[in-house]
Amino acid sequence: NAGVTQTPKFRVLKTGQSMTLLCAQDMNHEYMYWYRQDPGMGLRLIHYSVGEGTTAKGEVPDGYNVSRLKKQNFLLGLESAAPSQTSVYFCASMFTGGSPLHFGNGTRLTVT
Amino acid sequence: GQQVMQIPQYQHVQEGEDFTTYCNSSTTLSNIQWYKQRPGGHPVFLIQLVKSGEVKKQKRLTFQFGEAKKNSSLHITATQTTDVGTYFCAHTGGSNYKLTFGKGTLLTVNP
Repeated sequence: NAGVTQTPKFRVLKTGQSMTLLCAQDMNHEYMYWYRQDPGMGLRLIHYSVGEGTTAKGEVPDGYNVSRLKKQNFLLGLESAAPSQTSVYFCASMFTGGSPLHFGNGTRLTVT
Repeated sequence: GQQVMQIPQYQHVQEGEDFTTYCNSSTTLSNIQWYKQRPGGHPVFLIQLVKSGEVKKQKRLTFQFGEAKKNSSLHITATQTTDVGTYFCAHTGGSNYKLTFGKGTLLTVNP
């Protein structure tokens, strides 16, 4: 099992550019999440999904969109990147409510 | 969601010293999970506590959930350099599938 796989690992964008972060899990987990991590801020939830075809807003959803067309994939999109979106992005999945989160290795995004 | 406060934000110890981080809430928590993130790595699940007063041990790590379920602690006995990293507490709040994380405690260990 590969677990949770995120691509790309690193990316540099100019302000206004768009991109999509990919997350794939092979554990048949129902729930998937996107978090961002900034120094001193911990992990903040951007969007999450409780099943294929469903998405919901987390704590800091503005400027991001997500899609869960297949159970194993959860995509995070930035339509018009801003410097404030410079961060490390983690995808995570959970088998069922109350079970542990499994994290991907992260994507380090820099917006100049 | 409910916020949890973690203290201290940073802790530097000499190898062999003990270390404790605390996770505090103003409201009752349904559960607490603890994660460890090594520098440059991703968070890794350590343990979950759900019962009032619960104590669990993993080798040199001791996890406690308060009697009122409003606080939790992680204690490391005789720290080693391999313990370096950021320790996060997290809880699920009103739903059991949306985790809210504390800001973490960064532990550094001087060999």
